[in-house]
Amino acid sequence: AQTVTQSQPEMSVQEAETVTLSCTYDTSESNYYLFWYKQPPSRQMILVIRQEAYKQQNATENRFSVNFQKAAKSFSLKISDSQLGDTAMYFCAFLDGNKLVFGAGTILRVKS
Amino acid sequence: DTAVSQTPKYLVTQMGNDKSIKCEQNLGHDTMYWYKQDSKKFLKIMFSYNNKELIINETVPNRFSPKSPDKAHLNLHINSLELGDSAVYFCASLTSGTGGTEAFFGQGTRLTVV
Repeated sequence: AQTVTQSQPEMSVQEAETVTLSCTYDTSESNYYLFWYKQPPSRQMILVIRQEAYKQQNATENRFSVNFQKAAKSFSLKISDSQLGDTAMYFCAFLDGNKLVFGAGTILRVKS
Repeated sequence: DTAVSQTPKYLVTQMGNDKSIKCEQNLGHDTMYWYKQDSKKFLKIMFSYNNKELIINETVPNRFSPKSPDKAHLNLHINSLELGDSAVYFCASLTSGTGGTEAFFGQGTRLTVV
């Protein structure tokens, strides 16, 4: 069974600084998708960034980028120039076929 | 236009009652999900449907019964509600189109069993 592990329950970062959230996963598949979703206090689930496993190039979306290490089964999220609006719960997720599995989440607090 | 909509947003009910949560997506996606988010924010997959067919059932008690009358709708009926059913329930739909693969979520239904 696929599992997703986020080892950091909580993280804090100063406004304008950079923070990295960790995620590892376990699978025997070679083709799959990885995602980071953000859940602010409004509880809406918002896609931050996605990565197809067959693509070696790391995905980037403005201030958000990933470090995808397929052999190590690692998928970390880097947030640059952190903003107060980035304060939220961040979930790493794995999609294999139709099964979308989430990690336990990391609470990120951006401090002014 | 809301892509994935759930009703109701909030539901407070007594133990033992039966309740339903409705979900509709106007995105034309074939795959839909129900997730349960507990008090620790953990998102657990419950069910997945593809084009009205049940494809994932993650050891959920029989009191939970999903129903998909068509591929745009996935409803969740819960019988004999228990205190432990209190949670936020999310509906989602999945696209794997040319625009990329992504799951779209409803706004969640906060269920409180008293």
